[in-house]
Amino acid sequence: GAVVSQHPSRVICKSGTSVKIECRSLDFQATTMFWYRQFPKQSLMLMATSNEGSKATYEQGVEKDKFLINHASLTLSTLTVTSAHPEDSSFYICSASAGHIQYFGAGTRLSVL
Amino acid sequence: AQTVTQSQPEMSVQEAETVTLSCTYDTSENNYYLFWYKQPPSRQMILVIRQEAYKQQNATENRFSVNFQKAAKSFSLKISDSQLGDTAMYFCAYILTGGGNKLTFGTGTQLKVEL
Repeated sequence: GAVVSQHPSRVICKSGTSVKIECRSLDFQATTMFWYRQFPKQSLMLMATSNEGSKATYEQGVEKDKFLINHASLTLSTLTVTSAHPEDSSFYICSASAGHIQYFGAGTRLSVL
Repeated sequence: AQTVTQSQPEMSVQEAETVTLSCTYDTSENNYYLFWYKQPPSRQMILVIRQEAYKQQNATENRFSVNFQKAAKSFSLKISDSQLGDTAMYFCAYILTGGGNKLTFGTGTQLKVEL
């Protein structure tokens, strides 16, 4: 149990376009989901905490207008990278909470050309 | 500030041997949960083992066990009978009870299991 699906696994886009990443908890309801960014050979950096039905809470230094988060249901959160630029290229990972445990999606590799 | 320190950036172990990954953390809170996650080359984060801070007994999951020393704020992971599939980045992390379930991660230890 406790499966989190993240889609797409890889996306390549042109500079200036927007990209949406979906995160779904498949077999449990998650009132809280998290979005992380990971640079090569580094730890996960928390970008924002997403609570169902309310506005996301962004970590310091994360542009909320660039990284739009929507948590419309107890099983779905989306991250939209708006007007993507090459510096936004990275590995993005979502997680969903079941009690005190976070279960992670498989990640999305974003490449902005 | 809440921090997690993993002092071993890289480690290697021979197949079937035992290896211990170290982790120390710093929090003034008394109630929290500790975790070890692994991230293999696929980059999928997988929960290895967890420990409730209020429990003195060390958690065990098959070949994986922890040595939890609350007073020393130490939470090491022991992998017995290492297998090639254990090759991964291992992250130590904790969540404060009542802290919104936000994980604080260490910098990770890259473990390589060799033949």
